[in-house]
Amino acid sequence: DADVTQTPRNRITKTGKRIMLECSQTKGHDRMYWYRQDPGLGLRLIYYSFDVKDINKGEISDGYSVSRQAQAKFSLSLESAIPNQTALYFCATRGGTKNIQYFGAGTRLSVL
Amino acid sequence: SQQGEEDPQALSIQEGENATMNCSYKTSINNLQWYRQNSGRGLVHLILIRSNEREKHSGRLRVTLDTSKKSSSLLITASRAADTASYFCATDAGASGSRLTFGEGTQLTVNP
Repeated sequence: DADVTQTPRNRITKTGKRIMLECSQTKGHDRMYWYRQDPGLGLRLIYYSFDVKDINKGEISDGYSVSRQAQAKFSLSLESAIPNQTALYFCATRGGTKNIQYFGAGTRLSVL
Repeated sequence: SQQGEEDPQALSIQEGENATMNCSYKTSINNLQWYRQNSGRGLVHLILIRSNEREKHSGRLRVTLDTSKKSSSLLITASRAADTASYFCATDAGASGSRLTFGEGTQLTVNP
């Protein structure tokens, strides 16, 4: 089984709908991250969390919210989806002494 | 703009040739990392080089870091078709080492 699991893998939704993307990890890491990737661009950080009580905004948090339900779970919500939120979304974890991040397989979201 | 910027944006070579990708960044860093992404998949960590290191090897990978020029290069020797992927540099510049900033990536195509 994957260490970092994202669900769903693909999602098509309509403008204005509320969407939740989920991430769970079995690595026992405290730090978790949500990124989005657009074609031709690198990853941009949406939110990150150092532990259950510590949530931080990244560079593009507007229009998104997150919930850290447990050490192993970090969810990303789009309260009212809009077409320019169509992108590939990645969850990642980090633990240990090196700042190496471990990524999930991604969620491809299309907002029509 | 991105902290890390890769050059070239796309590279096409024949199997057996070497591939070199470059990354430039703007601020002081703790370390610089390279990640690989197969089409539409999550990123996988390849190699990390600390700010006090100049060169690092891992198998067919060679990474150099020039902090005076704020640049790094990734060399893949004796490339294989399976090396076809996007390659991203990521800089760790935060005091807490908590965040990575990713470049826009180099798309490498290795032709059989």
